[in-house]
Amino acid sequence: EDKVVQSPLSLVVHEGDTVTLNCSYEVTNFRSLLWYKQEKKAPTFLFMLTSSGIEKKSGRLSSILDKKELFSILNITATQTGDSAIYLCAVSPTGTASKLTFGTGTRLQVTL
Amino acid sequence: DAGVTQSPTHLIKTRGQQVTLRCSPKSGHDTVSWYQQALGQGPQFIFQYYEEEERQRGNFPDRFSGHQFPNYSSELNVNALLLGDSALYLCASSLQGAGTEAFFGQGTRLTVV
Repeated sequence: EDKVVQSPLSLVVHEGDTVTLNCSYEVTNFRSLLWYKQEKKAPTFLFMLTSSGIEKKSGRLSSILDKKELFSILNITATQTGDSAIYLCAVSPTGTASKLTFGTGTRLQVTL
Repeated sequence: DAGVTQSPTHLIKTRGQQVTLRCSPKSGHDTVSWYQQALGQGPQFIFQYYEEEERQRGNFPDRFSGHQFPNYSSELNVNALLLGDSALYLCASSLQGAGTEAFFGQGTRLTVV
């Protein structure tokens, strides 16, 4: 059975701090690892990673995948209060679009 | 271009009743997946529909069933509701075989009393 474990479960930081969120996984026939941000209801897509060692960046967010050690990290630099959300990590097996196995998520709270 | 739309946004039902939730996928997408997200948990895969057939199913009882229509929209039906079915139900759409990300709707918050 596919499995995703995220850590920490919860995090409170001050605005301007840098945070690193962790995601480890076990999946049969790995296809991709995805990060989503969930503020109220709909998870919104951040990154999809398929290859090891290639960093993906979007503004202050970046992510990288290690397929040998089976983990990924999501970095957020210069955090802002608008970054407060639940960050979800998910894995997708080959051949099945959008059948995702999610972790429990990391709840990030950014305070002034 | 409309994204994934779900209806209704909120719903309150009584134990034992039946409920139907609806989803319209993003334009150009042909695959719809349904997820259940209990409070404090990540979304859990219920099932996936492609070409009007259930293609994959997660660990959910037969009380959960679905349908996909020729226009790719989908319904999730839950029979004999239990208190434990209270959750946020999310619909995700994608394009089969494209290897691209899934897009999620705003969800339907179901409360069973």
